[in-house]
Amino acid sequence: AQSVTQPDIHITVSEGASLELRCNYSYGATPYLFWYVQSPGQGLQLLLKYFSGDTLVQGIKGFEAEFKRSQSSFNLRKPSVHWSDAAEYFCAVGAPGNTPLVFGKGTRLSVIA
Amino acid sequence: DSGVTQTPKHLITATGQRVTLRCSPRSGDLSVYWYQQSLDQGLQFLIQYYNGEERAKGNILERFSAQQFPDLHSELNLSSLELGDSALYFCASSVEGSGVNEQYFGPGTRLTVT
Repeated sequence: AQSVTQPDIHITVSEGASLELRCNYSYGATPYLFWYVQSPGQGLQLLLKYFSGDTLVQGIKGFEAEFKRSQSSFNLRKPSVHWSDAAEYFCAVGAPGNTPLVFGKGTRLSVIA
Repeated sequence: DSGVTQTPKHLITATGQRVTLRCSPRSGDLSVYWYQQSLDQGLQFLIQYYNGEERAKGNILERFSAQQFPDLHSELNLSSLELGDSALYFCASSVEGSGVNEQYFGPGTRLTVT
């Protein structure tokens, strides 16, 4: 069965600092991996996705993620965090085709001045 | 704006009641998914419809049911509501045939059961 672990429940970073949010997945084949962001009171917005090919994928809002098969990880990074990045971030895994996603529990990001 | 719409935005009702949540997918998307987000369970998949037919079922209670209509909008029916059903309910849609499983989420319906 598919599963996703986001080890960090809450992370606080200073504005302008770099960010890395961790995600580990369990899936028998090549996974389809996603990062979504949820701002307070909002729905989920797709940040980026990985299906195949280049293991470093670029997303919106300056985010990137790296797929590492050997570590079963898909960590999200941003070189310089802005206050508007404060939100909840969810990693998700899915199978090829139109299948349901399995989400991690999420990591809440706080940004301080 | 993802293009997925959900109504109502908020719903407050009493235990034992029945409610209906509505979702309109993005134009052209044939698949609709329902997810429940609660503090203790996180984001859980409930059910998926594709072009009017049920395709996959997740952790959906027997008190809950869904359907997708010919115009592709979907409704999630929750009955005999309990306090524990209070949650955010999201609808997502994706286009069939792309193979990429990219799901776009609506803004959600916040259900409060009192």
